[in-house]
Amino acid sequence: EDKVVQSPLSLVVHEGDTVTLNCSYEVTNFRSLLWYKQEKKAPTFLFMLTSSGIEKKSGRLSSILDKKELFSILNITATQTGDSAVYLCAPFNAGNNRKLIWGLGTSLAVNP
Amino acid sequence: KAGVTQTPRYLIKTRGQQVTLSCSPISGHRSVSWYQQTPGQGLQFLFEYFSETQRNKGNFPGRFSGRQFSNSRSEMNVSTLELGDSALYLCASSPFSLMGTGYEQYFGPGTRLTVT
Repeated sequence: EDKVVQSPLSLVVHEGDTVTLNCSYEVTNFRSLLWYKQEKKAPTFLFMLTSSGIEKKSGRLSSILDKKELFSILNITATQTGDSAVYLCAPFNAGNNRKLIWGLGTSLAVNP
Repeated sequence: KAGVTQTPRYLIKTRGQQVTLSCSPISGHRSVSWYQQTPGQGLQFLFEYFSETQRNKGNFPGRFSGRQFSNSRSEMNVSTLELGDSALYLCASSPFSLMGTGYEQYFGPGTRLTVT
C-alpha cells in the first residue's frame, strides 16, 4: 500500500529562521512529487519534482527530490509570519489507478 | 481568471440525509477531482471527472457519487450521510486529466460538511 510520511508534524519557529520539512514515501509507479501550501482552506501549488537532485527554487522556498532514498525536502529560508501554514507533499502514483497520495502535512507556525 | 469555486461553503446535515456539493472549475479546465479532508486522514481522493466521464476513483463506498456537466462544472453527492462523513470537501481543477500527464491541480476553498 502506498505510504507518505511527513515530518515533523508541527513546527514553531521565529521570523528569520530557516526550516526544513521532510517527506518520505513508498509509492508504486512513482512519477513525480508535488508540494502544496494550505492556509485556512484551499491548498496552493508550490513545486512539482520529477528528477532526483535538481533543486527547484521560488524565492525563499526550495525543494529537492531523492528518488533513490525516496524522500523530498522543502526548505524555507528567512521565514516570515506569512509562511505559517500546513505544507503538504503528494507523490503521484502513475499506475492504472493514477492519483496523488497525500501526506498529513507539516503545520508550520512562524512567530514574530 | 476566476479561480475554482465551490458551493455551499458550509453545510449542516443530519444522519441519513443526502447532500449535493457543487464545483465550478477554472475556465478552460476539463478535469475536476474531489477530495475529502479530515484531521486524522488528511486528503483522500474520491474521484476524478474529465470531459463528463469518471476517469478514476478512490476507495470510498458507493454512497459517494459524482457527475460532470458539459460546461465542466461538477457535482458530488453523498447519500445516507453518516457522522464520519463530516469533513472538508475540496475540489480541484486541472487542464489535463490525472490519467494523462498533467497533475498540477488548483483547489477551491472547500465545503465544510457537518453531519449531526
